[in-house]
Amino acid sequence: AQSVTQLGSHVSVSEGALVLLRCNYSSSVPPYLFWYVQYPNQGLQLLLKYTSAATLVKGINGFEAEFKKSETSFHLTKPSAHMSDAAEYFCAVSDAGNTPLVFGKGTRLSVIA
Amino acid sequence: DAEITQSPRHKITETGRQVTLACHQTWNHNNMFWYRQDLGHGLRLIHYSYGVQDTNKGEVSDGYSVSRSNTEDLPLTLESAASSQTSVYFCASRDEGEAFFGQGTRLTVV
Repeated sequence: AQSVTQLGSHVSVSEGALVLLRCNYSSSVPPYLFWYVQYPNQGLQLLLKYTSAATLVKGINGFEAEFKKSETSFHLTKPSAHMSDAAEYFCAVSDAGNTPLVFGKGTRLSVIA
Repeated sequence: DAEITQSPRHKITETGRQVTLACHQTWNHNNMFWYRQDLGHGLRLIHYSYGVQDTNKGEVSDGYSVSRSNTEDLPLTLESAASSQTSVYFCASRDEGEAFFGQGTRLTVV
């Protein structure tokens, strides 16, 4: 069975600092991997996805993630945090293009001025 | 533009009542999913469907049911609402790529 572990339920960074949100997954097959962002009282918006193309994936709002098969990781980074990045971030995995996504428990990102 | 919509956005119901949450998508996706979101648990899968007349149980399906009579809709029914089902419910759809999510329904069972 697939699973996702997000290290740190809450991460706090200063404005302009590096953002690093960690995600490790388990999957018996080459995975589809996703990062979603959720702003308060809203649905989930896709930040980026990995589907077996380039291992470094660029997403919206300056975020990127690197797929490392040997470490079963898909960490999310952004070089310089903005106040508008404050939100909940979810890592998710699926084993095929049409199957349910399995989500991590989420990481709440706070950005301090 | 294609979209996925949920209704109602907010609902308060009493313990023991039957409740149905609607989900409608115009992406023409075969695959639809229902999740619940609770603090500390992330999103957990309730039920899903790969097409008309197909339904499958997810991780937390007890007390819930779905039916799929057409491609666009996957209503979620709580047979007899319980306080433990107070949550935010999200519907999603996908076909060979990202999943698109509705705005959610906040359900309170009192």
